[in-house]
Amino acid sequence: DTGVSQDPRHKITKRGQNVTFRCDPISEHNRLYWYRQTLGQGPEFLTYFQNEAQLEKSRLLSDRFSAERPKGSFSTLEIQRTEQGDSAMYLCASSSSSGGFGNTIYFGEGSWLTVV
Amino acid sequence: AQTVTQSQPEMSVQEAETVTLSCTYDTSENNYYLFWYKQPPSRQMILVIRQEAYKQQNATENRFSVNFQKAAKSFSLKISDSQLGDTAMYFCAFTGGTSYGKLTFGQGTILTVHP
Repeated sequence: DTGVSQDPRHKITKRGQNVTFRCDPISEHNRLYWYRQTLGQGPEFLTYFQNEAQLEKSRLLSDRFSAERPKGSFSTLEIQRTEQGDSAMYLCASSSSSGGFGNTIYFGEGSWLTVV
Repeated sequence: AQTVTQSQPEMSVQEAETVTLSCTYDTSENNYYLFWYKQPPSRQMILVIRQEAYKQQNATENRFSVNFQKAAKSFSLKISDSQLGDTAMYFCAFTGGTSYGKLTFGQGTILTVHP
């Protein structure tokens, strides 16, 4: 068990460019979450997958954001036409649905995005 | 919608002493869990402790314990015998029975442990 891994860890991009982040959850976890965290704040929920199905999207997730989880394994989060307000850390997390909704959610180390 | 509030942006404590971090929440759900997560500088967030709402007994994990007051919707974290490695941002978080595990976080409290 290598934990939740995210790639890249840091990304600097110019305004208007597209960026994609990848998340590999813990292998036996069927739930996968994306959060956004700005400096000094708590993480804010973006979207959630159970297996390959995207079951909820936050209103924070504008049309420029898209997330996928093909085959229910790794996930990608793409931001199109980046804006300076997109600068944040994007956190991926995973958990198991067996045993109920209170299972521990494990977080990755995050992907820092800076839009210049 | 659920809300989680942490009213202490920063706290400090001397090594080996005890500190309490506060958290209040609001929800209409009867079935839920509360969590404290720790996020050290530049490192990933890890679970410190979890409390099930229907359990009256307060959760404990070694030096960490909670004071769960369901009627008051209060969920504080007590850290005993503070260690330098406890220095981190601490987040209180909530998940309800209708949230399939999705967490709602508070704003966080930066805890600094001084030698």
